[in-house]
Amino acid sequence: NAGVTQTPKFQVLKTGQSMTLQCAQDMNHNSMYWYRQDPGMGLRLIYYSASEGTTDKGEVPNGYNVSRLNKREFSLRLESAAPSQTSVYFCASGGTATYEQYFGPGTRLTVT
Amino acid sequence: AQTVTQSQPEMSVQEAETVTLSCTYDTSESDYYLFWYKQPPSRQMILVIRQEAYKQQNATENRFSVNFQKAAKSFSLKISDSQLGDAAMYFCAYRSVFSGGYNKLIFGAGTRLAVHP
Repeated sequence: NAGVTQTPKFQVLKTGQSMTLQCAQDMNHNSMYWYRQDPGMGLRLIYYSASEGTTDKGEVPNGYNVSRLNKREFSLRLESAAPSQTSVYFCASGGTATYEQYFGPGTRLTVT
Repeated sequence: AQTVTQSQPEMSVQEAETVTLSCTYDTSESDYYLFWYKQPPSRQMILVIRQEAYKQQNATENRFSVNFQKAAKSFSLKISDSQLGDAAMYFCAYRSVFSGGYNKLIFGAGTRLAVHP
């Protein structure tokens, strides 16, 4: 099992460009999450999906959109990137029978 | 709303010695889960240990143990016989039992642990 995979690992964008971060999990989990990690602030929840077909805003959703494509895949889109979105992005998944989350390797995004 | 506080931005320990990382949280709930995650330089988030609030017994995983003080809302991580591979960022996290069909985690800001040979 690969667990949670994310692509790409690194990305540099110019202000105003768009991009989609991809995430997939093979653990048959219902819930999936997108976090951003900034220095000194831990991880903050951007969006989550409790099950296929549903998505909800987290703590810092502005400037992002998400799509739960199917049970395995959950993508995060930046429509018009801003320097404030420079961060490390993590995707995670979790089942309803367990209480921990499993994380992907992260994407380091720089917006210039 | 729940909050998680890690008051030690950085800690250091000598190899083979013991170190304790602190975490406090604020909640009005009586049932919840607490976690410690490790993030090495590779960036991967790795679950170290989990504690269920309704269990009085402190969780233990090999060299890692917690001191869970529910009344004080304190959840510290003790690493015994520290190894060079323990050097990482450590995050404390809180999860409410009553958050519906999803497992929303609230993270502290992290403690960077250095291990010296």
